[in-house]
Amino acid sequence: TQLLEQSPQFLSIQEGENLTVYCNSSSVFSSLQWYRQEPGEGPVLLVTVVTGGEVKKLKRLTFQFGDARKDSSLHITAAQPGDTGLYLCAGLSNNAGNMLTFGGGTRLMVKP
Amino acid sequence: GAGVSQTPSNKVTEKGKYVELRCDPISGHTALYWYRQSLGQGPEFLIYFQGTGAADDSGLPNDRFFAVRPEGSVSTLKIQRTERGDSAVYLCASSPGWDRYTDTQYFGPGTRLTVL
Repeated sequence: TQLLEQSPQFLSIQEGENLTVYCNSSSVFSSLQWYRQEPGEGPVLLVTVVTGGEVKKLKRLTFQFGDARKDSSLHITAAQPGDTGLYLCAGLSNNAGNMLTFGGGTRLMVKP
Repeated sequence: GAGVSQTPSNKVTEKGKYVELRCDPISGHTALYWYRQSLGQGPEFLIYFQGTGAADDSGLPNDRFFAVRPEGSVSTLKIQRTERGDSAVYLCASSPGWDRYTDTQYFGPGTRLTVL
């Protein structure tokens, strides 16, 4: 069974602070995705990282894929209240068909 | 264009009843997925369709769960003899089906199932 562990599970910070969310596994993934989910809605894809060591930036969000393709991180600079939501990492494996294996999520609250 | 839609948005049923959950994927998407998300957790894979056939049903928890996609578009997830532990949000996603490694899955808003 492939597992993705996210940390922290909950994070409450003030507007303007920086934060990092981690996604770790003992398994290798062919690609790893980060999603954001709002209450009452489905997850929305933010980014896909494919190559070990890859870094992608999306405005104030920086995503990194570990060299061994077993872990990833999401760093948010100068968080804003609009960043509040559930952040999910999900891995796609060569050995697991086309299904995504999701982490448990990090619930972020950014206070104004 | 229209995204993935799911109906109903909420379903309350009694233990032991039968329920059907519907998913309308994005037009033209050949791949369709069902996931289940329990409170406070990430989505858990249930089943994946490529066209009309179930390419991977390894995530279905037991034989009370069944899904169909008879014409390769709309899919129905069917749950027999519902149990309280089936309560969750059931998410549907679709993707173009071009490449399993790079396809983006687009999720619907989910159906919240509550079994009393």
